[in-house]
Amino acid sequence: EVQLQQSGPEVGRPGSSVKISCKASGYTFTDYVMNWVKQSPGQGLEWIGWIDPEYGSTDYAEKFKKKATLTADTSSNTAYIQLSSLTSEDTATYFCATGNNPFDYWGQGVMVTVSS
Amino acid sequence: DVVLTQTPSTLSATIGQSVSISCRSSQSLLDSAGNTYLYWYLQRPGQSPQLLIYLVSNLGSGVPNRFSGSGSGTDFTLKISGVEAEDLGVYYCMQATHAPWTFGGGTKLELK
Repeated sequence: EVQLQQSGPEVGRPGSSVKISCKASGYTFTDYVMNWVKQSPGQGLEWIGWIDPEYGSTDYAEKFKKKATLTADTSSNTAYIQLSSLTSEDTATYFCATGNNPFDYWGQGVMVTVSS
Repeated sequence: DVVLTQTPSTLSATIGQSVSISCRSSQSLLDSAGNTYLYWYLQRPGQSPQLLIYLVSNLGSGVPNRFSGSGSGTDFTLKISGVEAEDLGVYYCMQATHAPWTFGGGTKLELK
């Protein structure tokens, strides 16, 4: 069974950074790219980007290129997203998602709150 | 960026009623290889989204066959033939033909 276990909720001060993890199990980690999706409170879904864990290659939506950094550790089957220069606009739930189709499988989501 | 417009934004239904959700794209989602990367997801309250339909009309794993998808080019439809209580939540269409991948604004299905 494919499982994506994400880290716990984060609180970050404005201007700081946070790093969220997504540990994959139940499949070969390098078989699929890992996507990240943002959901602002009460809002819809935004695709942030993906990382290919096998090669480390990435693709980002333009609006997240200076905000998010995607990495992956094949030794621990874990993907990460780092969000930098936090503002109130970054307060949201962040999901990792993977699969043969985009988003076959989803993590449970991590709530990031930006607050001073 | 491709804009996906979902209608209606809210849908009230009774159990057993059949309903449809429309997703219209600002550009054709047919790529040069003849593929159409249009997907449908359901997000139940307090849960992560789940895949319902992939590549316009293919049922996701474990998804009941009361769900069906159709369409081509810029116009797509998700149909639920006989709503059940577990179907309540927000439905999203998503396209992965053009970068960046984009989602529709969502359709909330609620009980009448």
